[in-house]
Amino acid sequence: NAGVTQTPKFRILKIGQSMTLQCTQDMNHNYMYWYRQDPGMGLKLIYYSVGAGITDKGEVPNGYNVSRSTTEDFPLRLELAAPSQTSVYFCASSPPGSQSYEQYFGPGTRLTVT
Amino acid sequence: KQEVTQIPAALSVPEGENLVLNCSFTDSAIYNLQWFRQDPGKGLTSLLLIQSSQREQTSGRLNASLDKSSGRSTLYIAASQPGDSATYLCAVRDAGNQFYFGTGTSLTVIP
Repeated sequence: NAGVTQTPKFRILKIGQSMTLQCTQDMNHNYMYWYRQDPGMGLKLIYYSVGAGITDKGEVPNGYNVSRSTTEDFPLRLELAAPSQTSVYFCASSPPGSQSYEQYFGPGTRLTVT
Repeated sequence: KQEVTQIPAALSVPEGENLVLNCSFTDSAIYNLQWFRQDPGKGLTSLLLIQSSQREQTSGRLNASLDKSSGRSTLYIAASQPGDSATYLCAVRDAGNQFYFGTGTSLTVIP
């Protein structure tokens, strides 16, 4: 199993550009999450999904959109990029089961908006 | 809103020492608490997960405890090694499936 994979690893965007961060997991996990990590800070939850076709907002959803058309993929869309979105973005997934919810993380995407 | 705090922010110990990392949270209505390790420029690796009904979990040299009523968890690392050098993060999951992370403790184990 590859686990959770994210592409790209690095990206530089100009202000106002758009892009999609890709996340794929091959563990048949129902739950998937997007986080951002700013320097010296903890991770903040942007969006999460409990299954295909279902998404919900986390703590910091503004400026982002997600979709979940399949169990495997959970892309994160940035529209009109702003410098405040410069961060490292992590995707994670969790197996099904009411008590587990152990999260498995991808390697991250480092995004700079200038 | 849940607030998760980790103290100290950084810790340096000589190799072989036992050490304790602390995590506190403001709302005791949690489903579980998870400890992670993050190496520089890398993603997070899960170390231990404690369900709200549990008091502790152990894996090798690691032992995590949870006192939900007082809003505290500790991660105990026995006989530390240079390879343990990393940032350690704790995260709590609440009833609404939201996860809240602490800012981490940066650990350096000196050979």
